[in-house]
Amino acid sequence: DSGVTQTPKHLITATGQRVTLRCSPRSGDLSVYWYQQSLDQGLQFLIQYYNGEERAKGNILERFSAQQFPDLHSELNLSSLELGDSALYFCASSGSGQPNEKLFFGSGTQLSVL
Amino acid sequence: DAKTTQPNSMESNEEEPVHLPCNHSTISGTDYIHWYRQLPSQGPEYVIHGLTSNVNNRMASLAIAEDRKSSTLILHRATLRDAAVYYCIPQGNSGGSNYKLTFGKGTLLTVNP
Repeated sequence: DSGVTQTPKHLITATGQRVTLRCSPRSGDLSVYWYQQSLDQGLQFLIQYYNGEERAKGNILERFSAQQFPDLHSELNLSSLELGDSALYFCASSGSGQPNEKLFFGSGTQLSVL
Repeated sequence: DAKTTQPNSMESNEEEPVHLPCNHSTISGTDYIHWYRQLPSQGPEYVIHGLTSNVNNRMASLAIAEDRKSSTLILHRATLRDAAVYYCIPQGNSGGSNYKLTFGKGTLLTVNP
């Protein structure tokens, strides 16, 4: 158990809909990362937050947004969903978000867009 | 980001050592080399990381070439639980976009009983 909690574990929805994925980092970790894993693209970095502020941005679509709240949990919002958004979404956390820190990953949210 | 080359797949027998290679010829002088693995249906898991010297921990050893253009992850005695995709990831140390870990395709390790 990595200590990172992601909910829900599975999500099935329809095209055009909006969903919210939730992540609770390990106790004491200030930084949260979101990754998307699909069969054809592999693990893609989406975005990183540190103590409520955005720190780094990757291949995140404009239809996707994220935030980190004062209690340090994070939410990834996906809107106007398309079939291609079906993927595993992982959240990871680290202590201070500095380079070369270990990342601890959650078990992911499997999103299926029908 | 430095590019990496890893074998698509490797096979090993239980209780035998496994050497997983990674080429990262474009690595910069300050990039650390990280290794993560992903077991089936799980999120990635940290294995080990290093800069220049060889590193050991309870999970594995990391041997880094003197020119730093390649490294090898060593599992001393493979178990069935070690069957996973292993990712070699150079990561910069200068901030900005280097905070992210860029995962490639990795090596799928199969362990035979």
